[in-house]
Amino acid sequence: SQQGEEDPQALSIQEGENATMNCSYKTSINNLQWYRQNSGRGLVHLILIRSNEREKHSGRLRVTLDTSKKSSSLLITASRAADTASYFCATFPRGSYIPTFGRGTSLIVHP
Amino acid sequence: DAGVIQSPRHEVTEMGQEVTLRCKPISGHDYLFWYRQTMMRGLELLIYFNNNVPIDDSGMPEDRFSAKMPNASFSTLKIQPSEPRDSAVYFCASSFVRTGGSRETQYFGPGTRLLVL
Repeated sequence: SQQGEEDPQALSIQEGENATMNCSYKTSINNLQWYRQNSGRGLVHLILIRSNEREKHSGRLRVTLDTSKKSSSLLITASRAADTASYFCATFPRGSYIPTFGRGTSLIVHP
Repeated sequence: DAGVIQSPRHEVTEMGQEVTLRCKPISGHDYLFWYRQTMMRGLELLIYFNNNVPIDDSGMPEDRFSAKMPNASFSTLKIQPSEPRDSAVYFCASSFVRTGGSRETQYFGPGTRLLVL
């Protein structure tokens, strides 16, 4: 079964708007990562947040982690058409280097 | 660095044929992963290697699938015989330890899109 599940499955917004996607997981984790996949390409690592961190920023990306609720969110601010892609969360159980990926959120940003 | 290299990028074959997918991980990476991605099942981990040794192949769907890593710079995933339900995108990924970095970060190849007719 999937450890991480993203929500929503699909998101359509206008350029300039913010995009928020969520990830829920079931077991205790060491860290959680977000990846982006452009159409026809492999996944690209965006950001990692450890279990003892609550929030992390990287450029226009903001990730939060709530271990009590076993959930994370990825916020993309001031979205651009180039942000159109699928976004996946990957969870790493404690002591493991092996991730479990969710099914992803498909984001479309209209110019 | 060229990143993770996979070949072929596209493969169309007929049911029953043998298919071999190839991967060259990033130099210096000591973990290598094979994934399969489909619309129905999402991204599935098939098998992973550490220092060329297979560690966990519990994700390999059946005996028709096999993977090898003869050296640190090359791995293959073989399907014999192939079936239409094997149609998917197959990804190879690698990871390593870097001072100040994270072993858990995975670097993915561009994938091989397989279609079995």
